[in-house]
Amino acid sequence: GAGVSQSPSNKVTEKGKDVELRCDPISGHTALYWYRQSLGQGLEFLIYFQGNSAPDKSGLPSDRFSAERTGGSVSTLTIQRTQQEDSAVYLCASSPGVGQGSTEAFFGQGTRLTVV
Amino acid sequence: RKEVEQDPGPFNVPEGATVAFNCTYSNSASQSFFWYRQDCRKEPKLLMSVYSSGNEDGRFTAQLNRASQYISLLIRDSKLSDSATYLCVVNPRYNFNKFYFGSGTKLNVKP
Repeated sequence: GAGVSQSPSNKVTEKGKDVELRCDPISGHTALYWYRQSLGQGLEFLIYFQGNSAPDKSGLPSDRFSAERTGGSVSTLTIQRTQQEDSAVYLCASSPGVGQGSTEAFFGQGTRLTVV
Repeated sequence: RKEVEQDPGPFNVPEGATVAFNCTYSNSASQSFFWYRQDCRKEPKLLMSVYSSGNEDGRFTAQLNRASQYISLLIRDSKLSDSATYLCVVNPRYNFNKFYFGSGTKLNVKP
């Protein structure tokens, strides 16, 4: 379909391992967002991309978290040396971007990360 | 202070009831506002945008009060299928296209 696609949908990893989460936004959307949602909690902002640059990465919880976006499209969120507190659903969203009017953000179905 | 604050609920209402949620935002220059709906273990989806003049979509009415910096969502004639968490979302003028989400208000509609 033409929606936001995230992979994997589920990931179980051992504490201390690195993981990479992928987001494929809606074609033509220049703005891309990563959020994190722990069980029963609200959405926690992680990072925002406009094109390939990240004007706001204030939400990344530690230097173990990094994200990049290439070609103004696909983004990857990398978590190094995972900890149990990193377990959450990682949601990616995209929107048309600056200057395109105030429109909604469209979400992918998320990656459920479990660190054991 | 959080950018967006909501009563977490839960609001437990019978079918057919009218229920209202409020959400307050901290930045008076905020530009656009939305209500999203999130079902259990699903991603958030847009329910409706909130316009300055207020807007209605079927059983749902959204209002914006800029003076008091809050937005509201009114649901009339509640259905079982309305059970979900409702997220208030604000897009501040100073950082166009960064969406701030409230933590959500949980609604349970009971038979």
